[in-house]
Amino acid sequence: GENVEQHPSTLSVQEGDSAVIKCTYSDSASNYFPWYKQELGKGPQLIIDIRSNVGEKKDQRIAVTLNKTAKHFSLHITETQPEDSAVYFCAASIPNFGNEKLTFGTGTRLTIIP
Amino acid sequence: DTAVSQTPKYLVTQMGNDKSIKCEQNLGHDTMYWYKQDSKKFLKIMFSYNNKELIINETVPNRFSPKSPDKAHLNLHINSLELGDSAVYFCASSQGAGEINEKLFFGSGTQLSVL
Repeated sequence: GENVEQHPSTLSVQEGDSAVIKCTYSDSASNYFPWYKQELGKGPQLIIDIRSNVGEKKDQRIAVTLNKTAKHFSLHITETQPEDSAVYFCAASIPNFGNEKLTFGTGTRLTIIP
Repeated sequence: DTAVSQTPKYLVTQMGNDKSIKCEQNLGHDTMYWYKQDSKKFLKIMFSYNNKELIINETVPNRFSPKSPDKAHLNLHINSLELGDSAVYFCASSQGAGEINEKLFFGSGTQLSVL
């Protein structure tokens, strides 16, 4: 099955600086890579995703890059703000004839220091 | 209106008891899921249902029995609760039949504590 590793487990950055979270996956058949943000006491919420036919995707201050050869993908948050503090999860999905399921990384607790 | 709502939010119970968690989505989605998040925040899928039919069962003990009376509801019943069942359980839904590229909408979680 798919295995997703995520680093770092915790990350603290000064407000206004950039944050980068990295994930690697094991199965080269994976072709969908979403990122979820989980705020305290809430369920995860999708913030950005990327498909395997794209190398980079950007949405305002958030960007995701994908390197299929190396089997890793990264989340980049620029101009960080206090409300970016949360736990972030990467995930990978393998096509499986309607039975696809996401395998999540272990999460990164991001703290933005005012 | 909450898109995916689950109850209760907190559940504290003794070992050996039986308990249920309920989930409802008002998004008109076809697929619903149960995920378990352990104390280290690790998220793992347990079950998924599409239009009331089970499509994913991730080797969860038989003590866990999901039930989907209709596509808007997916409940989770747990028999003979054990200490290791303590976790946060998330319900989620997606529009399609478990296809990739489908955005998951999560509920706010049920924190289960087994004493």
